[in-house]
Amino acid sequence: DAGITQSPRHKVTETGTPVTLRCHQTENHRYMYWYRQDPGHGLRLIHYSYGVKDTDKGEVSDGYSVSRSKTEDFLLTLESATSSQTSVYFCAISGWGTRYNEQFFGPGTRLTVL
Amino acid sequence: SQQGEEDPQALSIQEGENATMNCSYKTSINNLQWYRQNSGRGLVHLILIRSNEREKHSGRLRVTLDTSKKSSSLLITASRAADTASYFCATHAGETSGSRLTFGEGTQLTVNP
Repeated sequence: DAGITQSPRHKVTETGTPVTLRCHQTENHRYMYWYRQDPGHGLRLIHYSYGVKDTDKGEVSDGYSVSRSKTEDFLLTLESATSSQTSVYFCAISGWGTRYNEQFFGPGTRLTVL
Repeated sequence: SQQGEEDPQALSIQEGENATMNCSYKTSINNLQWYRQNSGRGLVHLILIRSNEREKHSGRLRVTLDTSKKSSSLLITASRAADTASYFCATHAGETSGSRLTFGEGTQLTVNP
């Protein structure tokens, strides 16, 4: 299994509070991704990173920011959480070698915003 | 908007039967991938088919790709209860998109023992 962990695994918070989700990889890989998964929408890309301090927006980036100060950590921040951000969040990394085009996923973080 | 759309949204079959899921997409692709997601878990990569390939096999999985129709199908033969999961197609548009994938909404497969 790819060494990807996410923390926390579950979080309940209130509207208006800041929330930071962490993705940690042990594969030393360049590309990392944050997705959200909602019923009827599949997985949608929030932000991705192609290296330390190199990030870009995905299709649903409004209300989210990211940071990557080390290769192994990719942080997703909700500056002021809203109920519409209640979702399951997945981190992923791209594969390596011949599996470069594949993605490997973490276990997910279930976030509830009340 | 989603690049891939899966059909059907849900499929229920008996153990031993074959399961076929379809994926349609809108723009040209470099490759198409299928992933499985067990309840409450992350996605797991199953198989990748490149745009210049028409069919690919991996164990009990068979994937076809028709770029003229912008569609792909995933066939699981001799299904087992353990195949119960959601299945997603994902498209890679090529070098201009970096390594990004666009996922469909998924097919929920239930295999009854």
